This record gives sequence, C-alpha cells and structure tokens, in this order.
Amino acid sequence: GAGVSQSPSNKVTEKGKDVELRCDPISGHTALYWYRQSLGQGLEFLIYFQGNSAPDKSGLPSDRFSAERTGGSVSTLTIQRTQQEDSAVYLCASSFWTGSYEQYFGPGTRLTVT
Amino acid sequence: GESVGLHLPTLSVQEGDNSIINCAYSNSASDYFIWYKQESGKGPQFIIDIRSNMDKRQGQRVTVLLNKTVKHLSLQIAATQPGDSAVYFCAESHSGNTPLVFGKGTRLSVIA
Repeated sequence: GAGVSQSPSNKVTEKGKDVELRCDPISGHTALYWYRQSLGQGLEFLIYFQGNSAPDKSGLPSDRFSAERTGGSVSTLTIQRTQQEDSAVYLCASSFWTGSYEQYFGPGTRLTVT
Repeated sequence: GESVGLHLPTLSVQEGDNSIINCAYSNSASDYFIWYKQESGKGPQFIIDIRSNMDKRQGQRVTVLLNKTVKHLSLQIAATQPGDSAVYFCAESHSGNTPLVFGKGTRLSVIA
C-alpha cells in the first residue's frame, strides 16, 4: 500500500520568504508527527497531531513555525520569514493510535534557505 | 531525508561479520524503544522495536537488547551485508504513540 508521502522533495527559498511543506499520511493513521533533521543532529520533534485532540506543539522552535492537519489527514507545516538556520530535512511520520507504536516515515523535504 | 553528521559515530565492519550498535537512553520512564535505519536520501525505516517488559527481541538477522538498569539499548545485526550500510538511530518514547526522542545515530559502513 501507499506509504507516507511528502512534497516537495526539495525546496530552495530565499531568507525571509514563507514556505509550506505537505505531508500525506498513511490512510487510517490517526497520529501524525513532524520532525526536523539538521546537519550533524539527530531527528528533532516539532509537532504532533492525534485525532481531533489539540496538537502537541511543544517542539516548535519559534512562533514562525506552525502546522495544521485538515480533515484528520493531510498536514501542512508552515515556516514564516525563513532563516538560514531553518535549513534542514523535514520529516513527517504517521502511526495508528492503538496497537503498534511504529511510526512510518516519509522521504522528507529538504529545505535550503539561501 | 539524508542523515549526515560531521560528528556521527561510525562503525566499520567486514561483510559477513556481526555488527553491534549501541545506544544510551536518558529517560528512565521510557517504555518503548525502536531502531530505525536511514539510507542516504530516504526517510528512516523501521527495523525492530521492544517494550520495556522485555529485555530481548529477535527479528530477521537483527536482535535488540534492552538493559533498563543501565538504560542501554543495542542492535545486533548478524552476517552484515553491504545493503546494511546506513545510519542507524535508536529512539525512545513514554507510553507509546508519543513523539519519539531520537539518538544522534551511528553510521554503519560494511567493507566488502
């Protein structure tokens, strides 16, 4: 079956511009996560959605970052007024709420801020 | 999602040898642990997981060992193959289905 998909795969933007990154989770998965992977770092949690509950935004590094999940499926991560330190690979993952805790990852979006 | 790291620990093994990748976790309340493999340009791929009520779990060519006393996790890969070359991450969570906390990763290089 289809896995987690993300778009675009690569994004180059100028400092100060806004960007939107999209994640399509596996159908039926109720939990959706965004992580960031920077050069020389492991994966860093950003935000987590579970069903209709309020998202856990505790990992967002600044108020320039926001995310939404429409209809309990597709999610968009928005970064406003991008900075060079935002350059990273942004990874999305989804999982079932019950049973297996395994998170299935998408291929990521590589963001480069020039 | 390519994983690169100037300071990424590296393990080099001969093809056919066994590999052991170690990980120390920080939260004594963590009760779910998982190993991911990440190849260049791809997202992390599930290898094996273990819950805190177990200390060993085996998969195909892989074994995960959990030592809760010293908060240590290891991944053993039997008969390592060139296709095993990748960055391996351990991750932990509390009560599952919560954001994973990832380790820095270890780069495994298999020498043919």
